[in-house]
Amino acid sequence: NAGVTQTPKFRVLKTGQSMTLLCAQDMNHEYMYWYRQDPGMGLRLIHYSVGEGTTAKGEVPDGYNVSRLKKQNFLLGLESAAPSQTSVYFCASKGAVVGNQPQHFGDGTRLSIL
Amino acid sequence: DQQVKQNSPSLSVQEGRISILNCDYTNSMFDYFLWYKKYPAEGPTFLISISSIKDKNEDGRFTVFLNKSAKHLSLHIVPSQPGDSAVYFCAAHGSFSGAQKLVFGQGTRLTINP
Repeated sequence: NAGVTQTPKFRVLKTGQSMTLLCAQDMNHEYMYWYRQDPGMGLRLIHYSVGEGTTAKGEVPDGYNVSRLKKQNFLLGLESAAPSQTSVYFCASKGAVVGNQPQHFGDGTRLSIL
Repeated sequence: DQQVKQNSPSLSVQEGRISILNCDYTNSMFDYFLWYKKYPAEGPTFLISISSIKDKNEDGRFTVFLNKSAKHLSLHIVPSQPGDSAVYFCAAHGSFSGAQKLVFGQGTRLTINP
């Protein structure tokens, strides 16, 4: 049971390049999230989705776009990468059940922008 | 505006002793609190949670305490083991938050010394 899988694990980009980070979950979860983690700042929410075909902005959405064309996949795009986007990116998912449930995280994508 | 704060970036504890990690929050609308554990090069993994209707929750060696009047929660690990060495994040969300979006603290690096 893979849980939440993030692709790629590492990537180095030049300023201005574009790329897409892929998150896939096999738990049939409705909710999916993208976070970034920077030193001393914890995890901050970039975008999230409450179901297939829906997306919404989180705390730090500028410079990123997302798509949720299939329930199991949540894509994070950088159209024109900037050095400030150097970070570790985590994807998470959660079932839309009644009551409180924890989010399940992937192992992250380490992205460096030169 | 840091709504969830972990004021100790690091903590060092001797094996077998108690580890106490602290977290403060400012938003009185938060009603569900979680602790995540993170090893290097891995994603955060859920450890334990507590609802605002309780003031204590135990799971084996881990106990979380919630003091709503002080807007403070703590994680107690007893006895501490070398495998507990990791970064610990506290997180919170409120029913007001669509999709149960989490707000994370900055993390505390716990080191258990043999």
